[in-house]
Amino acid sequence: EDQVTQSPEALRLQEGESSSLNCSYTVSGLRGLFWYRQDPGKGPEFLFTLYSAGEEKEKERLKATLTKKESFLHITAPKPEDSATYLCAALSGGYNKLIFGAGTRLAVHP
Amino acid sequence: GAVVSQHPSWVICKSGTSVKIECRSLDFQATTMFWYRQFPKQSLMLMATSNEGSKATYEQGVEKDKFLINHASLTLSTLTVTSAHPEDSSFYICSASTSSYEQYFGPGTRLTVT
Repeated sequence: EDQVTQSPEALRLQEGESSSLNCSYTVSGLRGLFWYRQDPGKGPEFLFTLYSAGEEKEKERLKATLTKKESFLHITAPKPEDSATYLCAALSGGYNKLIFGAGTRLAVHP
Repeated sequence: GAVVSQHPSWVICKSGTSVKIECRSLDFQATTMFWYRQFPKQSLMLMATSNEGSKATYEQGVEKDKFLINHASLTLSTLTVTSAHPEDSSFYICSASTSSYEQYFGPGTRLTVT
C-alpha cells in the first residue's frame, strides 16, 4: 500500500537555527514528490516538485532533496514567518492522485 | 500564475440544507480538479477527482449522492453538500492540476452546519 510518513510531527526552532524535515515514502512507481506549505485556515501553497532521485530544488531559505526512499526539506536560518505546517505528498505511478503525509508543524521563535 | 480561487471562503448553514462551493482556476486551464476535506490538525483527505465533462471519481467511503461534483469547464468545478449535517462541518479545499501533475490549491472553504 502506498504510504507517506513525515517526521517530526512538530518542530520548534529558534530564529536562525537550521534544520531538516523528513518525508519517507513507499509508493509504486513514483511520478513526483511534492512539498507544500500550509498556514492555519488556508489552502496548501505549492513549494517544490521533485521527479527523480538526486534532484534538488531551492527557494529562498528552503531546499528540497530526493532519494529513492525519502525527501528532505532543509530550512536554513529560518525566520518566524517560516512558521507553518509543511506537507509532503507523493504521486504514484498507478494513480493520478497525491498521497499526503500528516505534515510537520514548524514553529520558529525569535 | 497558477491561482485557484474558492467561493465562499466560509459558510454557515442549517442542518438539512444544501451548500454549493465553487472552485475556479483563474489563470490556467485545469485538466483535472480535486476535492479534499481537512479536519483540525489533520492532513488532507481526498474526496473525489473530476475531469472536465466527465463524472467524478469518488474515493472509497465518500458518498457520491451526498457530495455532488460538477466539472462544467476547464476552469470551474463545484461541490454541493446535500442535506448537510453537523458531521459534514469541515474545511473543504479544491485543487486544480495541469498535465504536469502539479496541483495548485484553493484557499479553502470553512463549512459549519448548525
